Amino acid sequence: NAGVTQTPKFRILKIGQSMTLQCTQDMNHNYMYWYRQDPGMGLKLIYYSVGAGITDKGEVPNGYNVSRSTTEDFPLRLELAAPSQTSVYFCASSYSGGSRIDTIYFGEGSWLTVV
Amino acid sequence: KNQVEQSPQSLIILEGKNCTLQCNYTVSPFSNLRWYKQDTGRGPVSLTIMTFSENTKSNGRYTATLDADTKQSSLHITASQLSDSASYICVVSAHSGYSTLTFGKGTMLLVSP
Repeated sequence: NAGVTQTPKFRILKIGQSMTLQCTQDMNHNYMYWYRQDPGMGLKLIYYSVGAGITDKGEVPNGYNVSRSTTEDFPLRLELAAPSQTSVYFCASSYSGGSRIDTIYFGEGSWLTVV
Repeated sequence: KNQVEQSPQSLIILEGKNCTLQCNYTVSPFSNLRWYKQDTGRGPVSLTIMTFSENTKSNGRYTATLDADTKQSSLHITASQLSDSASYICVVSAHSGYSTLTFGKGTMLLVSP
């Protein structure tokens, strides 16, 4: 059972470039999330999805886009990369939302540096 | 504004010793409180989830307590091992919306041999 799988693990982008972080889960979870973790800070929600075809903004959505065409996949698109997007990105999934007591499973993270 | 504060920021203990990490929150309306362990360079892994009615929950050598009246939680680690060296993150969920988690900044624990 792979859980939540993110790719790539590491990436260096130049300012203005675009890229997609891939995320897939094999637990048939309805909810999927993208977080960013900056040094010394708590995780911040970028976007989330409650099911295929449904996405919504989190706390820090500017500069990002997502799509959810299948239950398994939830890619995060960075458009026109900026140094402020240098961070560690975590994809996560759960059967139901955070107000329920289902475990939220996290991927291993994607380290992104924008230079 | 929902907030989660953790203390201490970092902690060094000797292998075999016990330690207690603290979490204070101002999240409303409260739904549940989670503790996660995050090894360096890895994603967070769930340790415990506690609801309003639960005072204590254990997971092996990890025991979490919750006082919903004072809005405080603690994570007690017994007989620490080198593998306990990690960041421990307190996460509080509110009872509204689809994704309402507020993350603390974490306590960095180093277990020294």
